[in-house]
Amino acid sequence: DTGVSQDPRHKITKRGQNVTFRCDPISEHNRLYWYRQTLGQGPEFLTYFQNEAQLEKSRLLSDRFSAERPKGSFSTLEIQRTEQGDSAMYLCASSLTQGAPLHFGNGTRLTVT
Amino acid sequence: ELKVEQNPLFLSMQEGKNYTIYCNYSTTSDRLYWYRQDPGKSLESLFVLLSNGAVKQEGRLMASLDTKARLSTLHITAAVHDLSATYFCAVEDESKNFGNEKLTFGTGTRLTIIP
Repeated sequence: DTGVSQDPRHKITKRGQNVTFRCDPISEHNRLYWYRQTLGQGPEFLTYFQNEAQLEKSRLLSDRFSAERPKGSFSTLEIQRTEQGDSAMYLCASSLTQGAPLHFGNGTRLTVT
Repeated sequence: ELKVEQNPLFLSMQEGKNYTIYCNYSTTSDRLYWYRQDPGKSLESLFVLLSNGAVKQEGRLMASLDTKARLSTLHITAAVHDLSATYFCAVEDESKNFGNEKLTFGTGTRLTIIP
């Protein structure tokens, strides 16, 4: 069990640029989640995949955000035309079954200048 | 919309003392999770509580769930410095028939254990 892996760990970008983050879940986990966490707050749900199907999206996920999970393995989260309000820690998590605890990665910290 | 509230938000306590963190939530749910987060680190699962009256214990931490009161508690016994961290509860919203696998997190309780 190598855990959930996220890349990059840190990303600094200028407002208006596009960024893409990658998440590799635990290999046998078919459920994959993206959350966003700002300083002093709990994680907020963004989206959820079961295998390659994106089953739920938060209204926090504006049309500038898109997530994919081709072939039901790794996932990418892209933010287009970044804004300063997008600065946050983006957390990926995976789980084996419904009701099982989520295993979180170390996150990608995004800073938009 | 499901709301999850924790209190206190900040807790500073001396080593060796006991204390309880409370987690209240606003809609029906039988699934509640506790996580720990160290500064600059990701979240680590502590407990999964899946039914009314569930109680789980690990070391100096004990969590319980009362679904009728929509309340979970995380009790710390004889605190030690290593328990300093932020603790989050998270609830799965069962009021939705489909797509109810997202967790709603509380704002966290930042616990500092003073020697």
